[in-house]
Amino acid sequence: AQSVTQPDIHITVSEGASLELRCNYSYGATPYLFWYVQSPGQGLQLLLKYFSGDTLVQGIKGFEAEFKRSQSSFNLRKPSVHWSDAAEYFCAVGAYNNNDMRFGAGTRLTVKP
Amino acid sequence: GAGVSQSPSNKVTEKGKDVELRCDPISGHTALYWYRQSLGQGLEFLIYFQGNSAPDKSGLPSDRFSAERTGGSVSTLTIQRTQQEDSAVYLCASSSRRDTTLAKNIQYFGAGTRLSVL
Repeated sequence: AQSVTQPDIHITVSEGASLELRCNYSYGATPYLFWYVQSPGQGLQLLLKYFSGDTLVQGIKGFEAEFKRSQSSFNLRKPSVHWSDAAEYFCAVGAYNNNDMRFGAGTRLTVKP
Repeated sequence: GAGVSQSPSNKVTEKGKDVELRCDPISGHTALYWYRQSLGQGLEFLIYFQGNSAPDKSGLPSDRFSAERTGGSVSTLTIQRTQQEDSAVYLCASSSRRDTTLAKNIQYFGAGTRLSVL
């Protein structure tokens, strides 16, 4: 079965600085990759997804992610972080042959003024 | 409804009691998922429904956990004889079946039920 690792439990960045959140997956075939964001007391909201094609995908709120097969990675980036981006971010991987979505442990983002 | 609705939003119970958590999916969504979110553990898949049937129950942590879905809509997750380790946020998600590759159908999440077992 597929699995996901998010190496960073907590990241702090200054407002206006760039951001990169790491995600590594394990799966034998082409995965379906997702990034979700969870604000306090809220459910998860989809930021972006990758199924196939262009390996650089754009999402909502100015986020983008790049699928790198050679590194089994799907890192999330944002050029300039806003205070409202403070939240928990989850990477997830799905597979073509099952309906079991596997989530990483999440990365909590703190934004300093 | 407009989104996935879960109730109650918070539940405090005593060890040994039974609890029922409810999920009302987005209207027309045929697939429904339950996850458990424990502190620092990410989301743990519990069970998945397609219509009223649950083809994958492998994620249920013990036989104290059960779930059902009726009428292809509302689902309830029941935890019997709750234990302190059951304390977590229980999230429900639903998706349509627009794409025949199930994993490609986006899951929409509710705000969760925070369960505290004293």
